[in-house]
This record gives sequence, C-alpha cells and structure tokens, in this order.
Amino acid sequence: GNSVTQMEGPVTLSEEAFLTINCTYTATGYPSLFWYVQYPGEGLQLLLKATKADDKGSNKGFEATYRKETTSFHLEKGSVQVSDSAVYFCALSSPTNTGNQFYFGTGTSLTVIP
Amino acid sequence: NAGVTQTPKFQVLKTGQSMTLQCAQDMNHEYMSWYRQDPGMGLRLIHYSVGAGITDQGEVPNGYNVSRSTTEDFPLRLLSAAPSQTSVYFCASRLTGGNNQPQHFGDGTRLSIL
Repeated sequence: GNSVTQMEGPVTLSEEAFLTINCTYTATGYPSLFWYVQYPGEGLQLLLKATKADDKGSNKGFEATYRKETTSFHLEKGSVQVSDSAVYFCALSSPTNTGNQFYFGTGTSLTVIP
Repeated sequence: NAGVTQTPKFQVLKTGQSMTLQCAQDMNHEYMSWYRQDPGMGLRLIHYSVGAGITDQGEVPNGYNVSRSTTEDFPLRLLSAAPSQTSVYFCASRLTGGNNQPQHFGDGTRLSIL
C-alpha cells in the first residue's frame, strides 16, 4: 500500500541553523512527492514538489530530492528564520483504481527561536 | 484569487445537532476532497469527488455525507454531531489527469462538538 512516514517533532532550532526533516514513503507505481507547510490557523500550502526520481524541488530556500533508491524525500534548508516556524507535511500522490490519491505524513512541527 | 473558500471558520455544536460545512473553489478543479486534522494523526480523508455528480468514501466516512451538484461546490454534512467529530476540517481541490497535480487547501473549519 501507500504510506508516508516523517520524523516526529517537535523540532526547535535557533535562527540560521540548518534544517532537515526526514520523510520516507512506501508506494505502488510511480508517485509524485510533495512538501506542504501549515502556518498557525491556516490551511496547508504547497511548498515544493518532485514528480520523478532524482528531481529536486525547491522554493523559498527549501529543497528536497526525490530518492527512489532510498524511498526518501527529506526537506532541507540551509539557514532557517523565525518566519519558518510552522508544521511541515510530507505527502505523496499515487495512482489507485479510483484515480490519484494523496497520502500525508503526520506532520512535523518546527519552531525557530531568535 | 479566492482559491478554495471554506465557511464557517469556527463552529460550536451540541451533540446530535446537524450542520453543513461549505466549500467552494473557483479554479475549475474536477477533484475535491474533505479531510479532518487531529493532533498526531495528520490528515485523514473523509470523502472525495472526481467531478460533479460523483462522490466516494475515503478513510473515515462514517457520520458524514457529501454531494457534488456543481464543479465549484462540495459541502460536507454532519447529520448528528458527536464529540468524536471535534476536529479541524479542510477542503481541498486539484486538477485531475496525472498524479503530479498538487492539492489546494482552504483555511479550514474549526468544529467543536459539546
């Protein structure tokens, strides 16, 4: 079946620290992979995506590489800011017999302190 | 730039009451879905629709009904609210035709059942 596992939080970092949030997946077929960000009181916003193996998605200084050999899509940022404090969700979209379905991880809460 | 619009943003109900959560999108997306978000459980799919007149159950459909009479609207009905339905509800939409299309989310409805 399809599933997404991401590292448990919460994660607390100092401003300008390096961020890694681990995400691994199990999927049938060839999924697309996504990272979403959720700020307090808001809905999920697409952060970046990758649609095939070795693709790198990037946005706002965040990056993630689709690694088929390790079934991973880890989120990284070289220097976090206080404004990056949010909950981050890893997700995959995979074909099923009723169309493409999304599967989400449980989310990782990030707090960046000045 | 409305995107996905959910109403109301907050609601408090008593056990046994009914209500409808509204969702509308202006992007002409065929696929729409409802999720609930609970602490530590990520997002769980309640119902989804691949087009007007077509709906199907997700992972946690019990206690909820949906209909899709137009492309734009996808209301979620709670027929007899229970405390276990206290949650944050998100509506999402996306284009169909391949698994590389991201989902677009509304800002959510925060529902408390007393």
